[in-house]
Amino acid sequence: GDSVTQMEGPVTLSEEAFLTINCTYTATGYPSLFWYVQYPGEGLQLLLKATKADDKGSNKGFEATYRKETTSFHLEKGSVQVSDSAVYFCALARDTGTASKLTFGTGTRLQVTL
Amino acid sequence: DAGVTQSPTHLIKTRGQQVTLRCSPKSGHDTVSWYQQALGQGPQFIFQYYEEEERQRGNFPDRFSGHQFPNYSSELNVNALLLGDSALYLCASSSLGTGDGYTFGSGTRLTVV
Repeated sequence: GDSVTQMEGPVTLSEEAFLTINCTYTATGYPSLFWYVQYPGEGLQLLLKATKADDKGSNKGFEATYRKETTSFHLEKGSVQVSDSAVYFCALARDTGTASKLTFGTGTRLQVTL
Repeated sequence: DAGVTQSPTHLIKTRGQQVTLRCSPKSGHDTVSWYQQALGQGPQFIFQYYEEEERQRGNFPDRFSGHQFPNYSSELNVNALLLGDSALYLCASSSLGTGDGYTFGSGTRLTVV
């Protein structure tokens, strides 16, 4: 079945450091890939997405490129801020339509300090 | 424009009891999905409703059931609660017609004691 594997956290960085959170997936076909962010006590917010190979999703300084050859969708940000502290989830959906279920990784907690 | 609204925000129930959680989708959305997020884990898909029917179901027992109403709102029911049902239950709405993507609510925190 479909699965998503994320690097384990927590990840602790100083403000303005470079961030990478690794994500790899297993799925048949050509899934859509997502990064969601969850702030304390809140639900999930879509951070970015990519729907086909070599697509780059980007939002709020975060980027991720859909790499089919390595089945990866690593999240990067050049300079993190304290406000980026949250839990980040990588996810996939088998179809590109919105009827498909999302399969999530276990999440990676990011802690950014001054 | 209101997003996804879930109620209640927190709930405490006793083992063996039954619980109903509610979700109002984002305006314009017609599909509702439910997810269970255990502490420290990623959300797990429970089921999805469209046109008042269950369209997809994850690996959850029959104790978990749902309903969608004509106004697209939805309920999640869990019978014979177990301690392991303690989790954050998330509702996500979407629209088949627009490709708008999924919008999540803030969730209902269920504690079973």
